[in-house]
Amino acid sequence: EIALTQSPATLSLSPGQRATLSCRASQSVRSDLVWYQQRPGQAPRLLIDNASKRATGIPARFSGSGSGTDFSLTISSLEPEDFAVYYCQQRREWPLTFGGGTTVEIK
Amino acid sequence: EVQLLESGGGLVQPGGSLRLSCAASGFTFTSHAMGWVRQAPGKGLDWVSAISHFGDEIYDTESVKGRFTISRDNSKSALYLHMNSLRVEDTAVYYCARRGGDTGWGGFDVWGQGTVVTVSS
Repeated sequence: EIALTQSPATLSLSPGQRATLSCRASQSVRSDLVWYQQRPGQAPRLLIDNASKRATGIPARFSGSGSGTDFSLTISSLEPEDFAVYYCQQRREWPLTFGGGTTVEIK
Repeated sequence: EVQLLESGGGLVQPGGSLRLSCAASGFTFTSHAMGWVRQAPGKGLDWVSAISHFGDEIYDTESVKGRFTISRDNSKSALYLHMNSLRVEDTAVYYCARRGGDTGWGGFDVWGQGTVVTVSS
């Protein structure tokens, strides 16, 4: 099973600041890495697939990068609605696995 | 509008059974693999089960093998999760989700609102 480790667990930032979230896989997942956002009380929302491809309707301030075992999600300038929990997920192998999440909170 | 609507959750005793349903609308159901993802209270996301476009491939997480069965009825654009021998640790919000991408095996690009399953005596 491929384990995904997200860091940091919590990121405390102010609106307008840049956020960089990390996801590390226990073995290579090539580019089969997905990022989701989950706001309180809501279902997750797909942000990025194939490590760097923004999903339909996702603002350009969200970008993903990486391949193999090291990935990052960057939010260039935080908007109030971006304070949420972010999960990475690998779809390279079964079982599908998620990281433990990074909470982006308002400082 | 593309939509997934789950139903069937509820309170059940340990060892009991439930069947979750997910009604899909607004897209060609057979163009996508589908799956179930759960989230225990205050915890992260946990993939449960997945099924291919025509149901010929099924994948389950280890902890539900032999207890949960995923199925789909393409004539009704519906996805199901039959859950038997339920355990307290199965308590969670269960989300129905569509796999996206060109092949329909991409990330989960459409999610339902979730249905709550509580296993307790």
